[in-house]
Amino acid sequence: LAKTTQPISMDSYEGQEVNITCSHNNIATNDYITWYQQFPSQGPRFIIQGYKTKVTNEVASLFIPADRKSSTLSLPRVSLSDTAVYYCLVGDGNQGGKLIFGQGTELSVKP
Amino acid sequence: ETGVTQTPRHLVMGMTNKKSLKCEQHLGHNAMYWYKQSAKKPLELMFVYSLEERVENNSVPSRFSPECPNSSHLFLHLHTLQPEDSALYLCASSQVIGGYSPLHFGNGTRLTVT
Repeated sequence: LAKTTQPISMDSYEGQEVNITCSHNNIATNDYITWYQQFPSQGPRFIIQGYKTKVTNEVASLFIPADRKSSTLSLPRVSLSDTAVYYCLVGDGNQGGKLIFGQGTELSVKP
Repeated sequence: ETGVTQTPRHLVMGMTNKKSLKCEQHLGHNAMYWYKQSAKKPLELMFVYSLEERVENNSVPSRFSPECPNSSHLFLHLHTLQPEDSALYLCASSQVIGGYSPLHFGNGTRLTVT
């Protein structure tokens, strides 16, 4: 299973762009990269998923370099409501569903 | 509304009690999961079911007993728990098992063992 490493915490201000990088050096060929957001006392919520290059949706962008050993979640113009823990997961369909969450990155957005 | 509903939202139980947590998903998914989240810790995978068959039992103590009667419902039966079992228990579902099939989580049951 690919292990992920993220910064424990990050601070930002409203209106700024936030980039959170996740390292996954032993990512396998079939692995996808998925990011989740979690607010206190709630379950994590899917944000975005990608395999390579760049993926964009209405809330975020995901940048994956050619070697796929890292990925960067980009949140444009954050607001106070983006304060949450962000998790990066790496996995595919050959692990019996054993998707392992790391420590995550606690993002604090200030006014 | 997340599409995955967990009940109860809060539960306080003594160490000798028996209780059950319930999870229901309305998304037509084939895989369901139980995760445990203790304070300030990452989520720990407990059990995985695919088409009502258990495919993963992540070294969980026998005082936790899962049950999946159909692809829409998942239970976690609790008995003789310890105070360190106090945590947020999260249920999730996905279309199929696999890292390319995003997880959809409920909002959890906050369990306190006294």
